Amino acid sequence: GAGVSQSPSNKVTEKGKDVELRCDPISGHTALYWYRQSLGQGLEFLIYFQGNSAPDKSGLPSDRFSAERTGGSVSTLTIQRTQQEDSAVYLCASSGERPEQFFGPGTRLTVL
Amino acid sequence: GQNIDQPTEMTATEGAIVQINCTYQTSGFNGLFWYQQHAGEAPTFLSYNVLDGLEEKGRFSSFLSRSKGYSYLLLKELQMKDSASYLCAVDNTNAGKSTFGDGTTLTVKP
Repeated sequence: GAGVSQSPSNKVTEKGKDVELRCDPISGHTALYWYRQSLGQGLEFLIYFQGNSAPDKSGLPSDRFSAERTGGSVSTLTIQRTQQEDSAVYLCASSGERPEQFFGPGTRLTVL
Repeated sequence: GQNIDQPTEMTATEGAIVQINCTYQTSGFNGLFWYQQHAGEAPTFLSYNVLDGLEEKGRFSSFLSRSKGYSYLLLKELQMKDSASYLCAVDNTNAGKSTFGDGTTLTVKP
């Protein structure tokens, strides 16, 4: 079956603009994660959704960041009033019955 | 809190064996993952250890000692394509998510 997909693959925006990043998890996976990865760095956890439970937002770096997951499937990560330090690759992952996470190809965000 | 330590960089020779260590201090530990990430690509799953001991999967093996908070990934018969970042991650299902280390960048030289 299809893996995790993300769109867009690349996004260039101007400082102060809002951006939306989309993630389509593997069908049937109940858990969905968003991470941020700067060049040469590890994965920075942002937010975690599990089924119908309230999301774990403990990793969101500021109130400019928000995410939602509609119908337990597709998720959108929104960054408002983007700043240059938001430039990074944003990775989405999902998991099902087994705990290992399957990652999407990521969205490379560049804030000018 | 969670703390995961692994070396930042390692270099090894093609055909050799390399061991990448990971130590962790976490609560609610369920298991430990290893992921491989090639430059510019997403991480891919390599292994998941729940019980103590060594698990072998082809050229790659992963070891876990829960009492010592220690794991390693062993890569045998290194190939140039093994040059990548290797991420250690703790499965902390009590918190509902995994915590990743910063990764070890392995460079395989001819």
